[in-house]
Amino acid sequence: GENVEQHPSTLSVQEGDSAVIKCTYSDSASNYFPWYKQELGKRPQLIIDIRSNVGEKKDQRIAVTLNKTAKHFSLHITETQPEDSAVYFCANGNYGQNFVFGPGTRLSVLP
Amino acid sequence: DGGITQSPKYLFRKEGQNVTLSCEQNLNHDAMYWYRQDPGQGLRLIYYSQIVNDFQKGDIAEGYSVSREKKESFPLTVTSAQKNPTAFYLCASSWQTSGSDEQYFGPGTRLTVT
Repeated sequence: GENVEQHPSTLSVQEGDSAVIKCTYSDSASNYFPWYKQELGKRPQLIIDIRSNVGEKKDQRIAVTLNKTAKHFSLHITETQPEDSAVYFCANGNYGQNFVFGPGTRLSVLP
Repeated sequence: DGGITQSPKYLFRKEGQNVTLSCEQNLNHDAMYWYRQDPGQGLRLIYYSQIVNDFQKGDIAEGYSVSREKKESFPLTVTSAQKNPTAFYLCASSWQTSGSDEQYFGPGTRLTVT
């Protein structure tokens, strides 16, 4: 079946530094790429998403880039803060097909 | 908080017993989903439903059953046939039929079977 690889599995950065998480997918028909943040013991929440007709999207300190040719997309967090510490999941989907989630990246922002 | 609720938050059962997890949404979403989350792993799809009175198996449906008698409700039953039922269970819903739109998650139910 389709799968999504996500790297790294854990990431530690100093407060104020940038963090980058990369996902690689296999389904070339995918056209929707969301990123979810899950704080400890809580529900996953969408933080940013991108559709296949766009190469980059920004929302304050968060950005997502998409390379459809190479079939990978990345989450960029700048000026990291302790409250950014969480597990981040990428996913990809297409109309009529369910999401495929990556295994997650545990981000720790060290003060 | 989000319009999608799950109960209870924690659930303890003895091995061999069936248990039903509740999921309710007031977002008027057509599609609803059940995921299982194990430590260090992503979300794995158990069942999903695109419309009332219809549902389909996900990737790991064995040992689980669902019903969708009302648009707002999508309960999940973990049966005694599920070999490793202890996990964190997340329900989600979305406007469109899967795959192309944001999914809203409930707070989850942590099931422990001993």
